[in-house]
Amino acid sequence: EAGVAQSPRYKIIEKRQSVAFWCNPISGHATLYWYQQILGQGPKLLIQFQNNGVVDDSQLPKDRFSAERLKGVDSTLKIQPAKLEDSAVYLCASSSLAGSTDTQYFGPGTRLTVL
Amino acid sequence: AQSVTQLGSHVSVSEGALVLLRCNYSSSVPPYLFWYVQYPNQGLQLLLKYTTGATLVKGINGFEAEFKKSETSFHLTKPSAHMSDAAEYFCAVSDRGTGGFKTIFGAGTRLFVKA
Repeated sequence: EAGVAQSPRYKIIEKRQSVAFWCNPISGHATLYWYQQILGQGPKLLIQFQNNGVVDDSQLPKDRFSAERLKGVDSTLKIQPAKLEDSAVYLCASSSLAGSTDTQYFGPGTRLTVL
Repeated sequence: AQSVTQLGSHVSVSEGALVLLRCNYSSSVPPYLFWYVQYPNQGLQLLLKYTTGATLVKGINGFEAEFKKSETSFHLTKPSAHMSDAAEYFCAVSDRGTGGFKTIFGAGTRLFVKA
């Protein structure tokens, strides 16, 4: 079974530029999550999708971050414009259900550096 | 509100020694508890989880954790450390809040294993 795929793996941009990340979850997984992991911290949920609908985006900085999951499969996360404090690893995860006991399967992440 | 505290950002043990990584949580409802491991440049991988039933949970790679409600703890242990256990470990709590199920991760504990 293929895992969660993410691209690119690394991205370096200057502040005020735009950037987009892509995630393809495990086939058949209805729930998709985007996390931000700042160096030295645990992952922080940015947005959670159930199929193509948003379940929780309470911690997404909506003035600069946006995400979509068209057709309920793969997803993109965009930052526009980027700030220095956006430097982090962006993790995508998926699970088959949205229950609290459900295991999340993580991709390798995209490491973003904002200069 | 949920929260997770991992005591010790770094733990160092000798190969063959006991591994003990500490996790305390707070939750207003019965929680579901997880331990994930993250190897360098990889995503998180589930080690074990507690949902209901037996409070001693066994996971992969010889790790286990015990849910102690009276102490609000879910410490991770392994009797004998291997060099391959060197990684970052994250404790997480999940429960149903006002916005549905939400998972909160601790800040992580980096495990070093000395030869």
